[in-house]
Amino acid sequence: RKEVEQDPGPFNVPEGATVAFNCTYSNSASQSFFWYRQDCRKEPKLLMSVYSSGNEDGRFTAQLNRASQYISLLIRDSKLSDSATYLCVVPRGGGYQKVTFGTGTKLQVIP
Amino acid sequence: EAQVTQNPRYLITVTGKKLTVTCSQNMNHEYMSWYRQDPGLGLRQIYYSMNVEVTDKGDVPEGYKVSRKEKRNFPLILESPSPNQTSLYFCASSSTTGKYSTDTQYFGPGTRLTVL
Repeated sequence: RKEVEQDPGPFNVPEGATVAFNCTYSNSASQSFFWYRQDCRKEPKLLMSVYSSGNEDGRFTAQLNRASQYISLLIRDSKLSDSATYLCVVPRGGGYQKVTFGTGTKLQVIP
Repeated sequence: EAQVTQNPRYLITVTGKKLTVTCSQNMNHEYMSWYRQDPGLGLRQIYYSMNVEVTDKGDVPEGYKVSRKEKRNFPLILESPSPNQTSLYFCASSSTTGKYSTDTQYFGPGTRLTVL
């Protein structure tokens, strides 16, 4: 099993739709998790962090399921500007010395 | 403005010609890291540094060197570049004083390197 796995997509959704991505991880010692957004070949930028069961920020909700070892990102009322690649990030061993990035899920919001 | 800067942004070079990609941050962050990003492989960690004079290997350190003589700078050195090091490189920094051991990483704009 890969350390971090994401469905590469692309997810093509109409404006206003709700879309969810999952990210599975293999290291049960990981304590914190992150979703980053990356626009085409630009630098990743933090979208949300998840330390406990979940986190919500406006239209974005991140949830953590430790038992099944996955995190999810839910985007409600999708906007054209949400089109990007979403990267799941899992620090290893509870510390951030080494981190593993997922390969990303590509979202395309269609007018 | 808080930022991570990288130079050069674009570089085309030839096999074996030593090069250095600079990375600098103005946020007084202790932690800095280098990544490379390749299609289908995502970002992979090359080296990281917990503080001045403290560096360690990431997942793909072969063919790279780093140094951390000052807190703000973390250059990436390719002593003898090869075509398989053609990639998009990102430097990142992070504070270590947050509530959790892992804090937000701030990324530089990236360096697109082509080795012929």
